[in-house]
This record gives sequence, structure tokens and C-alpha cells, in this order.
Amino acid sequence: GAGVSQSPSNKVTEKGKDVELRCDPISGHTALYWYRQRLGQGLEFLIYFQGNSAPDKSGLPSDRFSAERTGESVSTLTIQRTQQEDSAVYLCASSPQGAGGETQYFGPGTRLLVL
Amino acid sequence: SQQGEEDPQALSIQEGENATMNCSYKTSINNLQWYRQNSGRGLVHLILIRSNEREKHSGRLRVTLDTSKKSSSLLITASRAADTASYFCATVGSSNTGKLIFGQGTTLQVKP
Repeated sequence: GAGVSQSPSNKVTEKGKDVELRCDPISGHTALYWYRQRLGQGLEFLIYFQGNSAPDKSGLPSDRFSAERTGESVSTLTIQRTQQEDSAVYLCASSPQGAGGETQYFGPGTRLLVL
Repeated sequence: SQQGEEDPQALSIQEGENATMNCSYKTSINNLQWYRQNSGRGLVHLILIRSNEREKHSGRLRVTLDTSKKSSSLLITASRAADTASYFCATVGSSNTGKLIFGQGTTLQVKP
């Protein structure tokens, strides 16, 4: 079946603008994760969804970042009043249940550039 | 925050040679996973080793885990040019969320 998809692939925005990044997980996967990867770095955890709830938001770097998930499917990560330090690749992953011993399946990411 | 360190940061070898990458972490874990990333985009899962396992094999990959030293290694045998990529270790802690805490990664170049 289809893997995890993300849109847009690339986004260039001006400082101060809001952006929305979309993730379509694998159908039936109840767990969904957002990560951020700065240039040359490893991935940083942002937020975890189990179904439509987000029991772990501990990685969101500031209140400018928010995310929601609807229908236990699509998730949107919103960054308000973007700053240059928000430039990064934003990766989404899903897994069947969100238990600790599962493989996560990653999307191709959205490359965000804030000018 | 990053869980730990990977070394080397960069590795360049000839095709046919073996490549070894090391990962250290800081906190107790449920399991440790290795992922591969091509061209800075999506990650592909390679192998998972649980905290009660010491070694695991998958094709040309061999992973070891030493929980007393909080370290793991990934060995790729008989490397190929197509193995050129970045490799990341990621740990899953005791929380029940399954979130991954990544190392900084090792960039591997395999020269044909």
C-alpha cells in the first residue's frame, strides 16, 4: 500500500508568515510522530499522536508550533510567525500502535526555508 | 534534545570493505533502532535490537548492543556504492509513546 506522504515537498516563506505542513500516514496506523531535522543534524522529536490525541507534545520548541490530527488520519503541523531558525526538514512518521517496539515509517519530509 | 553521540561523524571506504559505526546513548532504553537516510530526506528502518538482546543480524548488517556501556554498533559488511547514505541510531525509552531519540548520525561514503 501507499507509504507516508507529506506536502508540500518544499516551502519557502518570509519571516513572520504562518505555514502549514501536512502529513498523510499509512492507513490504519494509530500512532503519528513529527520530527524536525536541522541541516547536518539528527532528528528532534516534536509531537506524538495516538489517534487524534497528543499525549506527548514535549518536543514542540515554542508556542508558535502546534499540530492537530483528525479522523485518526491526516495531521497538520502549523508554525506561526515563522523565524529563520525554523528552517529545517520536517519529517512525519507513523506506526501501527505507537508501542515502543515498533518500526516507524517515515515520509519524505517537507523542506522549510524561512527567508 | 539528542540522546547521544555517534562516531565517526563521517566515514569513507572502498567498495567491498566493511563499515562500522558506533552509537552511545545516555538513558535506559526499551530498544535501539538504526535508520538510513538518503539525500537528507525520508528515513528507512534497518534493524531493531531490544534491550535484552546483545547482537542481531539482517543480511549484510550486524548490530550489537551493550547496555552496560550504553553503546551500540552497526557493521555493514562487503559495502557497496549504494550503501552511501547517512546512518542514524535512535533509542526508545521506557515511556509508552514509542518516540525516537536520535543521534547525530554518521555519513558513509562508499567509493566504487
